[in-house]
Amino acid sequence: DTAVSQTPKYLVTQMGNDKSIKCEQNLGHDTMYWYKQDSKKFLKIMFSYNNKELIINETVPNRFSPKSPDKAHLNLHINSLELGDSAVYFCASSQEEGYEQYFGPGTRLTVT
Amino acid sequence: EDQVTQSPEALRLQEGESSSLNCSYTVSGLRGLFWYRQDPGKGPEFLFTLYSAGEEKEKERLKATLTKKESFLHITAPKPEDSATYLCAVLGGSNYKLTFGKGTLLTVNP
Repeated sequence: DTAVSQTPKYLVTQMGNDKSIKCEQNLGHDTMYWYKQDSKKFLKIMFSYNNKELIINETVPNRFSPKSPDKAHLNLHINSLELGDSAVYFCASSQEEGYEQYFGPGTRLTVT
Repeated sequence: EDQVTQSPEALRLQEGESSSLNCSYTVSGLRGLFWYRQDPGKGPEFLFTLYSAGEEKEKERLKATLTKKESFLHITAPKPEDSATYLCAVLGGSNYKLTFGKGTLLTVNP
């Protein structure tokens, strides 16, 4: 069983489009995260949700909007995609805030 | 702001040649230091958490240690399957935000 899963694995789209990435965890964790890993492999936090409540919201354009329908899911919606949004996006979860995080396989987004 | 610096950026070893990776950090009130392994095209895989200076943890050929300013990941007699990028991250302050270093790309040649 996959602990943290993301769909899709690859996403190729044109500038200006709107897209969503879905994340699900079956670990029973309370906290979920979205990270962005750029071309230099630098991993940076974007958002964090604890029990469906937003607790970390880094300096991310408001074109990015996370949504948590329940504790096991955290989706990322991106409006008006730009070339600079091309990156690998990782979802992660942890038992609670401050505990070790478990990462999904990533979604490679390419904006053309 | 929390900062994490990992060195070297890349390390090439022969199978069986032991070495160490370094993670230097500055953080306001360390809550935990985490080591992850990332294989190409995959998500980071959790290895260790260290909470206080002097703490050590081991897993197979890997041993992580922590001081007040840095952490080391010691690799003893590495094998080619240990090849990966090793990431260090710190959790500090009161915001529960994990700050990652840029990683060390380890290549172990047979």
